[in-house]
Amino acid sequence: KNQVEQSPQSLIILEGKNCTLQCNYTVSPFSNLRWYKQDTGRGPVSLTIMTFSENTKSNGRYTATLDADTKQSSLHITASQLSDSASYICVVEGGFKTIFGAGTRLFVKA
Amino acid sequence: DAGVIQSPRHEVTEMGQEVTLRCKPISGHDYLFWYRQTMMRGLELLIYFNNNVPIDDSGMPEDRFSAKMPNASFSTLKIQPSEPRDSAVYFCASSLGPRTDTQYFGPGTRLTVL
Repeated sequence: KNQVEQSPQSLIILEGKNCTLQCNYTVSPFSNLRWYKQDTGRGPVSLTIMTFSENTKSNGRYTATLDADTKQSSLHITASQLSDSASYICVVEGGFKTIFGAGTRLFVKA
Repeated sequence: DAGVIQSPRHEVTEMGQEVTLRCKPISGHDYLFWYRQTMMRGLELLIYFNNNVPIDDSGMPEDRFSAKMPNASFSTLKIQPSEPRDSAVYFCASSLGPRTDTQYFGPGTRLTVL
């Protein structure tokens, strides 16, 4: 069954700290993996897109990694800010399928 | 650029009524996507178009849902008749290219069916 599982479900960190969100998938065939940030009440915003051959991709303080062999991805946030409080959604595409993870809800506290 | 524009932003209707959601993609984008988001099911891809032609509608939940793209700058998602379980936020997104391109989402339409 094609699935995308994200962990943790929610996370609370202090401003300035780093954190890592996980995404494991069983989607096959695999085309690409996306990370989105979604603020409450707004549409998702693309952070990174990685294809099979890419291991790492950065977007400012956001760094995504991909291990296509183990079918795992992570999103690392460096020096968190209050504005990082949001849901982070992992999406895997392959063949004609687009499978969404349930998201990780991140709370950054002052 | 104004980004992806969706209207209305909020829609409240009664069960059985027809609902039409509208989307204007970013100018020059060849791909347009319709998504639905609920607390229970998360985000789901409903349908996407390439150059105004529907490519994959396998995510459309049932025949009550239909989508059209009469030209490059306008698309509609219609629900007829609407049911309470259709209550969700519906997003439209557009991109220059297909699967490996960045998709830009609109602000969404929050639909409530009573």
